[in-house]
Amino acid sequence: DSGVTQTPKHLITATGQRVTLRCSPRSGDLSVYWYQQSLDQGLQFLIQYYNGEERAKGNILERFSAQQFPDLHSELNLSSLELGDSALYFCASSARDRGDEKLFFGSGTQLSVL
Amino acid sequence: AQSVAQPEDQVNVAEGNPLTVKCTYSVSGNPYLFWYVQYPNRGLQFLLKYITGDNLVKGSYGFEAEFNKSQTSFHLKKPSALVSDSALYFCAVRGHNFNKFYFGSGTKLNVKP
Repeated sequence: DSGVTQTPKHLITATGQRVTLRCSPRSGDLSVYWYQQSLDQGLQFLIQYYNGEERAKGNILERFSAQQFPDLHSELNLSSLELGDSALYFCASSARDRGDEKLFFGSGTQLSVL
Repeated sequence: AQSVAQPEDQVNVAEGNPLTVKCTYSVSGNPYLFWYVQYPNRGLQFLLKYITGDNLVKGSYGFEAEFNKSQTSFHLKKPSALVSDSALYFCAVRGHNFNKFYFGSGTKLNVKP
């Protein structure tokens, strides 16, 4: 068990809808990362937060947004969903924001857009 | 720009034989390099990392990786493969001046009895 909790584990929804994925980092970790894993795109970095502030942005669509709350949990909001958004979404955390730190991954949220 | 490449989608090896999973990288400055493993329906788990120092890094489950600066490679190795090593392996790179953590496309390792 990595200590990173993601909910829900599975999410089935329809095109055009909006969903929220939730992540609780390991106790004490200040950095949260979001990744999207799909068969054709591999593991894509979406966004990183550190202690409530956005720290780095990757290939995140404008329809997607995220935030990190004062209690350090994070939410990834996906709106106007398309079939191509179906993927496994991972959250990871690390203690701070040092480059040599390893990431601890949650088990992911499997999103299916029908 | 940072990038990492895993040239093999799949590696097949017999149990007891040595295994190598290849990774090459591109980053400005000195890199931080990582290997992660993903088992079915699970998140990624850290195996090992190279920060500085000895080019041969030892990690979890008997895995090791060799950093080669001239070839910009960081290949994952194990002297004797186990069936339980069958999983998806990801190489990752992060530069000293960058916050982004880039992962390779992954290599599926199949170890046959």
